[in-house]
Amino acid sequence: SQQGEEDPQALSIQEGENATMNCSYKTSINNLQWYRQNSGRGLVHLILIRSNEREKHSGRLRVTLDTSKKSSSLLITASRAADTASYFCATPNYGGATNKLIFGTGTLLAVQP
Amino acid sequence: DAGVTQSPTHLIKTRGQHVTLRCSPISGHKSVSWYQQVLGQGPQFIFQYYEKEERGRGNFPDRFSARQFPNYSSELNVNALLLGDSALYLCASSSGRANEKLFFGSGTQLSVL
Repeated sequence: SQQGEEDPQALSIQEGENATMNCSYKTSINNLQWYRQNSGRGLVHLILIRSNEREKHSGRLRVTLDTSKKSSSLLITASRAADTASYFCATPNYGGATNKLIFGTGTLLAVQP
Repeated sequence: DAGVTQSPTHLIKTRGQHVTLRCSPISGHKSVSWYQQVLGQGPQFIFQYYEKEERGRGNFPDRFSARQFPNYSSELNVNALLLGDSALYLCASSSGRANEKLFFGSGTQLSVL
Protein backbone atom coordinates (compact mmCIF):
# COMPACT_ATOMS: atom_id res chain seq x y z
CA SER A 1 0.00 0.00 0.00
CA GLN A 2 1.14 3.54 -0.65
CA GLN A 3 1.82 5.41 2.57
CA GLY A 4 2.90 8.68 1.03
CA GLU A 5 0.73 10.53 -1.42
CA GLU A 6 2.20 13.44 -3.34
CA ASP A 7 0.34 16.46 -4.55
CA PRO A 8 0.18 17.65 -7.26
CA GLN A 9 0.59 14.64 -9.54
CA ALA A 10 2.14 16.88 -12.20
CA LEU A 11 3.57 20.38 -12.17
CA SER A 12 4.81 22.53 -15.04
CA ILE A 13 6.74 25.74 -14.38
CA GLN A 14 9.19 28.11 -16.08
CA GLU A 15 12.89 28.19 -15.35
CA GLY A 16 13.64 30.45 -12.41
CA GLU A 17 10.29 29.84 -10.70
CA ASN A 18 9.89 27.93 -7.45
CA ALA A 19 8.31 24.49 -7.33
CA THR A 20 6.45 23.16 -4.31
CA MET A 21 5.41 19.55 -3.86
CA ASN A 22 3.45 18.16 -0.95
CA CYS A 23 3.35 14.74 0.63
CA SER A 24 0.92 13.22 3.09
CA TYR A 25 1.43 10.02 5.01
CA LYS A 26 -0.67 7.86 7.29
CA THR A 27 1.26 6.51 10.27
CA SER A 28 3.82 7.73 12.78
CA ILE A 29 7.31 7.98 11.34
CA ASN A 30 10.95 8.24 12.43
CA ASN A 31 11.92 10.15 9.32
CA LEU A 32 10.70 11.17 5.88
CA GLN A 33 12.86 11.12 2.78
CA TRP A 34 12.61 12.72 -0.65
CA TYR A 35 13.99 11.08 -3.78
CA ARG A 36 14.29 12.18 -7.38
CA GLN A 37 13.99 9.99 -10.47
CA ASN A 38 15.02 11.00 -13.97
CA SER A 39 13.27 9.35 -16.92
CA GLY A 40 12.21 6.19 -15.09
CA ARG A 41 15.72 5.20 -14.02
CA GLY A 42 17.33 4.95 -10.58
CA LEU A 43 16.27 7.09 -7.65
CA VAL A 44 18.61 9.64 -6.13
CA HIS A 45 18.29 10.58 -2.48
CA LEU A 46 17.72 14.30 -1.96
CA ILE A 47 17.12 14.88 1.71
CA LEU A 48 16.11 13.11 4.93
CA ILE A 49 14.23 14.93 7.67
CA ARG A 50 13.83 13.36 11.08
CA SER A 51 10.60 13.40 13.05
CA ASN A 52 11.99 15.89 15.58
CA GLU A 53 12.95 18.37 12.83
CA ARG A 54 10.54 20.89 11.32
CA GLU A 55 12.62 22.24 8.47
CA LYS A 56 15.77 21.31 6.61
CA HIS A 57 17.72 22.94 3.80
CA SER A 58 20.10 21.55 1.22
CA GLY A 59 21.25 23.89 -1.51
CA ARG A 60 18.13 25.00 -3.43
CA LEU A 61 15.97 22.47 -1.57
CA ARG A 62 13.87 23.21 1.48
CA VAL A 63 11.87 20.50 3.20
CA THR A 64 9.33 20.98 5.94
CA LEU A 65 7.70 18.36 8.13
CA ASP A 66 4.50 18.71 10.14
CA THR A 67 4.03 15.53 12.14
CA SER A 68 0.73 16.76 13.60
CA LYS A 69 -0.71 16.96 10.10
CA LYS A 70 1.31 14.00 8.81
CA SER A 71 2.53 16.05 5.89
CA SER A 72 5.73 17.30 4.31
CA SER A 73 6.60 19.71 1.55
CA LEU A 74 9.56 19.99 -0.81
CA LEU A 75 10.41 23.41 -2.21
CA ILE A 76 12.85 23.78 -5.08
CA THR A 77 13.89 27.39 -5.52
CA ALA A 78 15.09 29.02 -8.75
CA SER A 79 14.29 25.93 -10.76
CA ARG A 80 16.34 24.84 -13.76
CA ALA A 81 15.49 22.70 -16.78
CA ALA A 82 17.74 20.01 -15.26
CA ASP A 83 15.31 19.75 -12.31
CA THR A 84 12.79 18.10 -14.63
CA ALA A 85 12.14 14.72 -13.00
CA SER A 86 9.73 12.78 -10.82
CA TYR A 87 9.92 13.44 -7.09
CA PHE A 88 8.88 10.91 -4.46
CA CYS A 89 8.47 11.10 -0.74
CA ALA A 90 9.18 7.93 1.22
CA THR A 91 8.54 6.91 4.81
CA PRO A 92 9.95 3.94 6.68
CA ASN A 93 7.81 0.94 7.54
CA TYR A 94 10.53 -0.97 9.23
CA GLY A 95 9.46 -3.92 11.29
CA GLY A 96 12.51 -6.14 10.84
CA ALA A 97 13.44 -4.59 7.53
CA THR A 98 15.52 -1.49 8.12
CA ASN A 99 15.46 -0.55 4.44
CA LYS A 100 11.72 -0.86 3.88
CA LEU A 101 10.49 2.44 2.55
CA ILE A 102 6.96 3.17 1.46
CA PHE A 103 6.92 5.47 -1.55
CA GLY A 104 4.16 7.73 -2.75
CA THR A 105 3.01 7.92 -6.34
CA GLY A 106 5.24 10.89 -7.09
CA THR A 107 5.04 14.37 -8.57
CA LEU A 108 6.19 14.81 -12.16
CA LEU A 109 7.92 18.18 -12.44
CA ALA A 110 8.53 19.75 -15.84
CA VAL A 111 10.68 22.89 -15.92
CA GLN A 112 10.37 24.75 -19.20
CA PRO A 113 13.50 26.60 -20.41
CA ASP B 1 34.01 4.53 -6.19
CA ALA B 2 31.44 2.57 -8.16
CA GLY B 3 27.81 3.05 -7.28
CA VAL B 4 25.16 0.36 -7.19
CA THR B 5 25.36 -1.68 -10.37
CA GLN B 6 22.54 -3.73 -11.83
CA SER B 7 22.43 -6.11 -14.75
CA PRO B 8 21.02 -6.50 -17.25
CA THR B 9 19.72 -3.04 -18.12
CA HIS B 10 16.84 -4.33 -20.19
CA LEU B 11 15.26 -7.75 -20.51
CA ILE B 12 12.44 -9.17 -22.58
CA LYS B 13 10.82 -12.44 -21.54
CA THR B 14 7.64 -14.34 -22.35
CA ARG B 15 4.97 -15.48 -19.94
CA GLY B 16 5.91 -18.54 -17.91
CA GLN B 17 9.65 -17.99 -18.21
CA HIS B 18 12.07 -17.42 -15.38
CA VAL B 19 14.31 -14.37 -14.89
CA THR B 20 17.34 -13.57 -12.72
CA LEU B 21 18.34 -10.00 -12.00
CA ARG B 22 21.67 -9.08 -10.44
CA CYS B 23 22.88 -6.30 -8.18
CA SER B 24 26.23 -5.28 -6.73
CA PRO B 25 26.05 -2.87 -3.79
CA ILE B 26 28.37 -0.01 -3.02
CA SER B 27 31.63 -1.23 -1.54
CA GLY B 28 31.28 -1.53 2.22
CA HIS B 29 27.50 -1.80 2.18
CA LYS B 30 26.14 -5.03 3.61
CA SER B 31 22.44 -4.54 2.87
CA VAL B 32 20.65 -4.91 -0.43
CA SER B 33 16.98 -4.23 -1.00
CA TRP B 34 14.85 -4.88 -4.07
CA TYR B 35 11.97 -2.73 -5.25
CA GLN B 36 9.48 -3.08 -8.10
CA GLN B 37 8.26 0.02 -9.89
CA VAL B 38 5.32 -0.29 -12.23
CA LEU B 39 4.90 2.52 -14.75
CA GLY B 40 3.28 5.55 -13.17
CA GLN B 41 3.68 4.31 -9.60
CA GLY B 42 6.21 4.65 -6.84
CA PRO B 43 8.62 1.79 -6.05
CA GLN B 44 7.26 -1.08 -3.95
CA PHE B 45 9.43 -3.02 -1.50
CA ILE B 46 10.07 -6.65 -2.39
CA PHE B 47 12.96 -7.87 -0.19
CA GLN B 48 15.79 -6.77 2.04
CA TYR B 49 18.88 -8.87 2.65
CA TYR B 50 21.52 -8.10 5.26
CA GLU B 51 24.60 -10.21 5.86
CA LYS B 52 23.07 -12.90 3.60
CA GLU B 53 19.94 -13.19 5.72
CA GLU B 54 16.47 -12.11 4.63
CA ARG B 55 15.45 -9.23 6.83
CA GLY B 56 12.12 -8.36 5.31
CA ARG B 57 9.70 -9.26 2.58
CA GLY B 58 6.99 -7.22 0.93
CA ASN B 59 3.60 -8.34 -0.30
CA PHE B 60 4.78 -10.37 -3.28
CA PRO B 61 3.99 -13.98 -4.22
CA ASP B 62 6.36 -16.88 -3.66
CA ARG B 63 7.33 -16.69 -7.34
CA PHE B 64 9.66 -13.94 -6.20
CA SER B 65 12.81 -15.02 -4.38
CA ALA B 66 16.20 -13.54 -3.69
CA ARG B 67 19.52 -14.31 -2.15
CA GLN B 68 22.68 -12.50 -1.09
CA PHE B 69 26.17 -13.80 -1.61
CA PRO B 70 29.25 -13.59 0.67
CA ASN B 71 30.48 -10.56 -1.31
CA TYR B 72 27.08 -8.90 -0.56
CA SER B 73 25.92 -8.95 -4.17
CA SER B 74 22.38 -10.15 -4.68
CA GLU B 75 20.12 -11.89 -7.15
CA LEU B 76 16.38 -11.49 -7.56
CA ASN B 77 14.62 -14.42 -9.17
CA VAL B 78 11.11 -14.43 -10.57
CA ASN B 79 9.51 -17.68 -11.72
CA ALA B 80 6.49 -18.27 -13.94
CA LEU B 81 6.48 -14.72 -15.26
CA LEU B 82 3.18 -12.95 -15.72
CA LEU B 83 2.41 -9.94 -17.87
CA GLY B 84 1.93 -7.95 -14.67
CA ASP B 85 5.55 -8.55 -13.69
CA SER B 86 6.59 -6.04 -16.36
CA ALA B 87 8.23 -3.25 -14.41
CA LEU B 88 11.45 -1.51 -13.50
CA TYR B 89 13.28 -3.51 -10.84
CA LEU B 90 15.45 -1.39 -8.60
CA CYS B 91 18.19 -2.47 -6.25
CA ALA B 92 19.20 -0.30 -3.32
CA SER B 93 22.17 -0.63 -1.02
CA SER B 94 22.95 0.70 2.42
CA SER B 95 24.89 -0.14 5.55
CA GLY B 96 21.71 -1.73 6.93
CA ARG B 97 21.09 0.68 9.78
CA ALA B 98 17.67 2.20 10.21
CA ASN B 99 16.93 5.83 9.46
CA GLU B 100 19.46 6.20 6.69
CA LYS B 101 19.23 6.94 3.02
CA LEU B 102 19.29 4.31 0.30
CA PHE B 103 21.51 4.31 -2.76
CA PHE B 104 19.71 3.02 -5.84
CA GLY B 105 21.02 1.44 -9.01
CA SER B 106 19.72 2.41 -12.43
CA GLY B 107 17.39 -0.57 -12.52
CA THR B 108 16.51 -3.43 -14.83
CA GLN B 109 13.57 -2.81 -17.15
CA LEU B 110 11.74 -6.12 -17.51
CA SER B 111 9.14 -6.58 -20.22
CA VAL B 112 7.01 -9.72 -20.20
CA LEU B 113 5.26 -10.48 -23.48
